[in-house]
Amino acid sequence: LAKTTQPISMDSYEGQEVNITCSHNNIATNDYITWYQQFPSQGPRFIIQGYKTKVTNEVASLFIPADRKSSTLSLPRVSLSDTAVYYCLVGDRVRSGAGSYQLTFGKGTKLSVIP
Amino acid sequence: NAGVMQNPRHLVRRRGQEARLRCSPMKGHSHVYWYRQLPEEGLKFMVYLQKENIIDESGMPKERFSAEFPKEGPSILRIQQVVRGDSAAYFCASSGQTNTEAFFGQGTRLTVV
Repeated sequence: LAKTTQPISMDSYEGQEVNITCSHNNIATNDYITWYQQFPSQGPRFIIQGYKTKVTNEVASLFIPADRKSSTLSLPRVSLSDTAVYYCLVGDRVRSGAGSYQLTFGKGTKLSVIP
Repeated sequence: NAGVMQNPRHLVRRRGQEARLRCSPMKGHSHVYWYRQLPEEGLKFMVYLQKENIIDESGMPKERFSAEFPKEGPSILRIQQVVRGDSAAYFCASSGQTNTEAFFGQGTRLTVV
């Protein structure tokens, strides 16, 4: 499984755009990049997943350069409720022929949004 | 559509007792994953199960820990003879056959006193 590196913490003011970059130099051809969000005392929640270029949904955008050795999660106009830990995961979409994959979490990036 | 349900939310056990943590996956999901999260740490994979089968238990401690996902009923993570170091949040996740998104429960916080 590819190892990921992301900043331990980030601070941002409300209303700003926040970009969290994750390095995954050893990403494999079959690997997808997935981001999860975890609030205190809650389980992680899926935010976005991508393979290459750019993916956008109602919550965030994910930018993946051509070499796929890094990815950037972009949160537009953050609010206080976006204060959470954000995890970058890299893994094979299909493992053991089961159609699902094992998730490997690092320590994540603790985002603090300041009023 | 109820999400992943874990119970109890909080569990206190004395050293040497047994802890049983339950997880009911989302409706239609047949894959269950258990993770452990120590304070200020990321989640660590423990075990991956399908109905009546353990697919991958590479993250499970060799002793005292076991997991099952019977044909009927919730998945159970069982910790025998708990020690202080077992104190952590235990999260369960489930996913469907072709769904790459895993949905997590709210976790069970185990405290060993």
